[in-house]
Amino acid sequence: NAGVTQTPKFQVLKTGQSMTLQCAQDMNHNSMYWYRQDPGMGLRLIYYSASEGTTDKGEVPNGYNVSRLNKREFSLRLESAAPSQTSVYFCASSEALGRTGRQPQHFGDGTRLSIL
Amino acid sequence: DQQVKQNSPSLSVQEGRISILNCDYTNSMFDYFLWYKKYPAEGPTFLISISSIKDKNEDGRFTVFLNKSAKHLSLHIVPSQPGDSAVYFCAASAWDAGKSTFGDGTTLTVKP
Repeated sequence: NAGVTQTPKFQVLKTGQSMTLQCAQDMNHNSMYWYRQDPGMGLRLIYYSASEGTTDKGEVPNGYNVSRLNKREFSLRLESAAPSQTSVYFCASSEALGRTGRQPQHFGDGTRLSIL
Repeated sequence: DQQVKQNSPSLSVQEGRISILNCDYTNSMFDYFLWYKKYPAEGPTFLISISSIKDKNEDGRFTVFLNKSAKHLSLHIVPSQPGDSAVYFCAASAWDAGKSTFGDGTTLTVKP
């Protein structure tokens, strides 16, 4: 039972390079999320997808794009990486928090991204 | 403006004693609250939740208390065990918002 799988686990980029972080869940969840966690800080929402075919901005969307490829997969793209985007990125999934009731999020183990 | 605040970055307790982790929120639209636990190099895992229609929810050694008038919730761990040493995040959501807002976390250390 894999849950939420993120790839890669680690990555080092140079400023200006592009990269796509992959996330897949096998729990048939409707909603998926991308967060970043900086040292000493909580999880800040970058983008989320409440259901297949929809995406919405979170707190810190600038510099990122997302694609909800299908119900299982939700990718995060950095078009032109900047040192300020050095962080740990977490993907999560859940049943919808809204109309269908409240369900907790299931997280992957993160992608540690360093931008030089 | 941070809507969910965990004002204590760290907490240290002795094994067997009670751990109390606190969380304050400012958005009156929040009506569902969750606690997550995170070990190093892993993603957060769900621990316990509470709806605003309740003031207490208990699951084994973990109890969450909600004081809506004070916009305050707390997580009690009794008795604390060394394996409870982790970062604890408080999160809150509003009805139909489709997302949660997280606090900055409290690092709990339980000493043997």
